[in-house]
Amino acid sequence: DAKTTQPPSMDCAEGRAANLPCNHSTISGNEYVYWYRQIHSQGPQYIIHGLKNNETNEMASLIITEDRKSSTLILPHATLRDTAVYYCIVRPIRGSNYKLTFGKGTLLTVNP
Amino acid sequence: DGGITQSPKYLFRKEGQNVTLSCEQNLNHDAMYWYRQDPGQGLRLIYYSQIVNDFQKGDIAEGYSVSREKKESFPLTVTSAQKNPTAFYLCASSILQGLHEQFFGPGTRLTVL
Repeated sequence: DAKTTQPPSMDCAEGRAANLPCNHSTISGNEYVYWYRQIHSQGPQYIIHGLKNNETNEMASLIITEDRKSSTLILPHATLRDTAVYYCIVRPIRGSNYKLTFGKGTLLTVNP
Repeated sequence: DGGITQSPKYLFRKEGQNVTLSCEQNLNHDAMYWYRQDPGQGLRLIYYSQIVNDFQKGDIAEGYSVSREKKESFPLTVTSAQKNPTAFYLCASSILQGLHEQFFGPGTRLTVL
């Protein structure tokens, strides 16, 4: 039972902003939105997470809609090294189950 | 230099043999995890451990076994009972308090011939 829906692939020109969408229409009030990415043949890397407010760090920005049913990960100036599979994950704030449920994600290809 | 190490990077085994994958972390994390990834797919949880000498089955534990004798180490054994063992195996760790972001190792690619 997929909790998130992402497009399978996207392209972006180098230097431009990459906007990766995620639908999580069944998200509950005690669940966070997490983003990870996985460069080919490497382990996933944490990017950012949020509950309801927009968040920004040195890697990316996360915009969550007011109804929390969707979000967008923004890479402001994409580089070739940002080519990776990006995973949007919903998980509870508290609880003994700490697992991350990874779907197939979005393959972002940054083109020169 | 803190992090998670997995060894080896590539591993080849004959069908019917058990094989143990290593995972070590020096991040002082309480929780550790094993995931499996098949080509073009997301990660699936095999086992996880929140504390030494304790571990729980994930979504696809059949054919696998783990141990957690030390906080730093969480080895995974792929047994001959695992029907399709060829895959990319990823180990991760996290703290238990707070939002417990998971840190991943570089992975081990296991090929069973």
